[in-house]
Amino acid sequence: AQSVTQPDIHITVSEGASLELRCNYSYGATPYLFWYVQSPGQGLQLLLKYFSGDTLVQGIKGFEAEFKRSQSSFNLRKPSVHWSDAAEYFCAGTSMNTGFQKLVFGTGTRLLVSP
Amino acid sequence: NAGVTQTPKFQVLKTGQSMTLQCAQDMNHNSMYWYRQDPGMGLRLIYYSASEGTTDKGEVPNGYNVSRLNKREFSLRLESAAPSQTSVYFCASSEQGGTNEKLFFGSGTQLSVL
Repeated sequence: AQSVTQPDIHITVSEGASLELRCNYSYGATPYLFWYVQSPGQGLQLLLKYFSGDTLVQGIKGFEAEFKRSQSSFNLRKPSVHWSDAAEYFCAGTSMNTGFQKLVFGTGTRLLVSP
Repeated sequence: NAGVTQTPKFQVLKTGQSMTLQCAQDMNHNSMYWYRQDPGMGLRLIYYSASEGTTDKGEVPNGYNVSRLNKREFSLRLESAAPSQTSVYFCASSEQGGTNEKLFFGSGTQLSVL
């Protein structure tokens, strides 16, 4: 079955430090992968997405993610974390041409930013 | 500049009561979705509507019904609420439903069923 796994439930990072959130996928064909962010009491906002082509994808708010087929991973990175980045982050995936009705979300990683 | 608007934001029900969650979008999107979010489980699709006049089941449709009232509005109804339906519910929309687009989410409805 197609799945998306986020192995880390919580991560704490010092402000100004670099960040990497892990996401692993299980798809037979080339997946379409997404990262969303959810601030407290808010809906989800798209950070970035990967469909094909360049495996390093740039997103909003200084985030980037790298698609690595050999590792079945799509990890989210940011070089310097700000206190406002504290939120919950969701990786999601689907297969080519199946649309959002087949979008599968990971269980989320809560990012805490320490001073 | 409202985007996707959900009402109510909070609701407490007793087991067996019914209620309707309302969702409206002002972006002229064709596709609309209802998700539920439970701790440790991410978001799961309940129902979706690819276009006005059509609705389809998602991953967890049992206990729910939906109505696509018009292009703007997509409501979710719980006919007889159960404690297992305690969750945060999100409505979302997209222009056509293709994954080369963006999903726009509402801010959610927190529902507790006692």
